[in-house]
Amino acid sequence: AQTVTQSQPEMSVQEAETVTLSCTYDTSESDYYLFWYKQPPSRQMILVIRQEAYKQQNATENRFSVNFQKAAKSFSLKISDSQLGDAAMYFCAYRRTQGGSEKLVFGKGTKLTVNP
Amino acid sequence: DSGVTQTPKHLITATGQRVTLRCSPRSGDLSVYWYQQSLDQGLQFLIQYYNGEERAKGNILERFSAQQFPDLHSELNLSSLELGDSALYFCASSVGLATYEQYFGPGTRLTVT
Repeated sequence: AQTVTQSQPEMSVQEAETVTLSCTYDTSESDYYLFWYKQPPSRQMILVIRQEAYKQQNATENRFSVNFQKAAKSFSLKISDSQLGDAAMYFCAYRRTQGGSEKLVFGKGTKLTVNP
Repeated sequence: DSGVTQTPKHLITATGQRVTLRCSPRSGDLSVYWYQQSLDQGLQFLIQYYNGEERAKGNILERFSAQQFPDLHSELNLSSLELGDSALYFCASSVGLATYEQYFGPGTRLTVT
């Protein structure tokens, strides 16, 4: 079974600085998707960024980028120019590409605090 | 706004009772997923439906059941409720099976007293 591990329960960053959230996963499959979801205090789950495992290029979305290391099964999220609105729980998630369920497997989350 | 709606937003009930949570997927989405978020278990997949049929089950208790109706809305039924069932229940939807993007609803907060 696939597992996702986020080793940092909490992180903090100063406004306008850069922070990196870590995620590792375990799978025997060669093709899959990885995601970072943001959950602000409103509890809404918001997709931040996604990465297809077959793509070597790291995904970027404005101030958010990932460092995808397939061999190491590592998928970190970098937030640049942090803003107060980035404060939230961040969840790393895995999804297989074919066969069986398309369910998301989530890590335990990292609580990000942004200090003014 | 993801386009996925869930009702009710909050639900408070007593142990032993039965409740029904409702989800309307985004227009055109055929696949519906239910997830449970609790403090001790984190976010866990419960069950998936695709175009009215059950596609996959996760760690869903036998006291829980779900279905997807012809209009594609889904209901999650929780019975013989226990204190440990208190959690945030999310519904998510996606267009099809190959589509990787799942859109989450705002969740239903269930409190069992």
